[in-house]
Amino acid sequence: GDSVTQMEGPVTLSEEAFLTINCTYTATGYPSLFWYVQYPGEGLQLLLKATKADDKGSNKGFEATYRKETTSFHLEKGSVQVSDSAVYFCALVNDYKLSFGAGTTVTVRA
Amino acid sequence: ETGVTQSPTHLIKTRGQQVTLRCSSQSGHNTVSWYQQALGQGPQFIFQYYREEENGRGNFPPRFSGLQFPNYSSELNVNALELDDSALYLCASSSQLARADTQYFGPGTRLTVL
Repeated sequence: GDSVTQMEGPVTLSEEAFLTINCTYTATGYPSLFWYVQYPGEGLQLLLKATKADDKGSNKGFEATYRKETTSFHLEKGSVQVSDSAVYFCALVNDYKLSFGAGTTVTVRA
Repeated sequence: ETGVTQSPTHLIKTRGQQVTLRCSSQSGHNTVSWYQQALGQGPQFIFQYYREEENGRGNFPPRFSGLQFPNYSSELNVNALELDDSALYLCASSSQLARADTQYFGPGTRLTVL
């Protein structure tokens, strides 16, 4: 079945540091890929998405590129802020359901 | 445009009881999916409703059931609650069957089973 594997956390960074969270997937067919973010005590917010190979999703300074050859969708941000502290989930949609990774907790210190 | 809303925010039940959680989909969306998120884990798909019919189901027992109404709002019912049912229950809506479309999440209902 479909599965998503994320880099384990927690990740602690200083403000303005570079952030990378690795994500790889296993799926049949050609799934769409997503990054969702969850702030403390809240539901999931869509951060970015990509629907086909070589697509780059971007939002709020975050980027991720759909790499079919390596089945990866790594999340990057060049300069993080304290407000980026959250849990990040990589996910794919195939047929009718989203499959999520376990999440990576990111803490950014001032 | 109104986003996805869920009620109640928090709920405490005891083992063996039954619970109903509610979700209102985002305006213009006709598909609702439910997910269970245990503490420290990623969400797990429970089921999806499209045009008032169950469209797909994850690996959850039959005591998890649902409904979708003509206005596309939805309910999740859980019978014979177990301690392991304690989790954040998330509802997500989308505008078509979710193969390629984006699902938008509500804030969730935190269920505690004692």
